[in-house]
Amino acid sequence: QQPVQSPQAVILREGEDAVINCSSSKALYSVHWYRQKHGEAPVFLMILLKGGEQKGHEKISASFNEKKQQSSLYLTASQLSYSGTYFCGTEMAGYSSASKIIFGSGTRLSIRP
Amino acid sequence: GAGVSQSPSNKVTEKGKDVELRCDPISGHTALYWYRQSLGQGLEFLIYFQGNSAPDKSGLPSDRFSAERTGGSVSTLTIQRTQQEDSAVYLCASSRLATSTDTQYFGPGTRLTVL
Repeated sequence: QQPVQSPQAVILREGEDAVINCSSSKALYSVHWYRQKHGEAPVFLMILLKGGEQKGHEKISASFNEKKQQSSLYLTASQLSYSGTYFCGTEMAGYSSASKIIFGSGTRLSIRP
Repeated sequence: GAGVSQSPSNKVTEKGKDVELRCDPISGHTALYWYRQSLGQGLEFLIYFQGNSAPDKSGLPSDRFSAERTGGSVSTLTIQRTQQEDSAVYLCASSRLATSTDTQYFGPGTRLTVL
């Protein structure tokens, strides 16, 4: 049930764009994105609900394709501060209880000046 | 408090000993989660508390692991007869609402090392 993230790692130069994908074999109700810097706790980025919505915050946005059971995180004109490991967390559709989010193994993003 | 706090920040113990990890959620937050993160790995769900309801223990890896939440606030994760594979960072998170669509705020974690 763990979502699959790709790529596992990516290295960018400052100002380049990146896309991180999160795929599930099960129907999804929601997708959560978090970023974790080395030695720190994960920090919330955004939540997307089924319905194919797209969200964005400054130069970081995400989409949720319900049919494909996939979410993508888009980082535009990357900044050094974007470095870290990005985790997606998924909640399966059809679960009535507000319960656990299953996280992927993460995508390590390194930004070089 | 201003954020989720956890104690201790680091714990080194010998194999076979019991350990207790504490989490203080953000005041007023209904839901509380425990996760485990092994070195270089993702977040592994352990247990979830929603208000006064029975906790969702489906993620606990063995019966050596238990958790309680007293008065709907502070939570303690107990690991009995620790094993070396228990070594990891244990993260606690809380959310204001007991819904999956609410933001989870993570604490700094407790790094557990079992020798």
